[in-house]
Amino acid sequence: GDSVTQMEGPVTLSEEAFLTINCTYTATGYPSLFWYVQYPGEGLQLLLKATKADDKGSNKGFEATYRKETTSFHLEKGSVQVSDSAVYICALSDNTGFQKLVFGTGTRLLVSP
Amino acid sequence: DTGVSQNPRHKITKRGQNVTFRCDPISEHNRLYWYRQTLGQGPEFLTYFQNEAQLEKSRLLSDRFSAERPKGSFSTLEIQRTEQGDSAMYLCASSTPGPGSKTQYFGPGTRLLVL
Repeated sequence: GDSVTQMEGPVTLSEEAFLTINCTYTATGYPSLFWYVQYPGEGLQLLLKATKADDKGSNKGFEATYRKETTSFHLEKGSVQVSDSAVYICALSDNTGFQKLVFGTGTRLLVSP
Repeated sequence: DTGVSQNPRHKITKRGQNVTFRCDPISEHNRLYWYRQTLGQGPEFLTYFQNEAQLEKSRLLSDRFSAERPKGSFSTLEIQRTEQGDSAMYLCASSTPGPGSKTQYFGPGTRLLVL
């Protein structure tokens, strides 16, 4: 079945450092890809999405590009802030049927001043 | 648009008791999903409604679990005879109808602790 693999955390960075969180997927067909962010004790908020190969999703300085050839959707940000500390979860859904989300395990990001 | 709401936000219960959670989706979202998230893991799909019809259930949803969406608006998830392994965050999400990729919007979740 479909699956998502993320790098394990925590990722610990200093403020203004460059961030990369790796995400690779296995899927039949052509899924849509998502990054969600989860703050402590809260539900998931959509950060960005891409629906087809070579699409770039971006929001709040975060970017990810849908790479079909490497089945990847790595999350990047040029300069992180303390307020970016959260859990980042990569997910996919098929574009047919009922579009359930399949999630990775999440990567905790800790940004220190 | 007030977003997806879930109640209660927290529930502590004793093993063997029944619990019920409620989800109110964004109005006019006819698709509704339930997921379960255990500590340190990503969410896992439980069940899916389109309007009032429950169209898909994960094998994670044992016979102690039942979900309903009686009028195609709010949904309830009931767990009977709770076990300690049921302790998790239960997340509800909703999305709009129609073809193509649809974004799921999540509620804040209900955190269940079974003692």
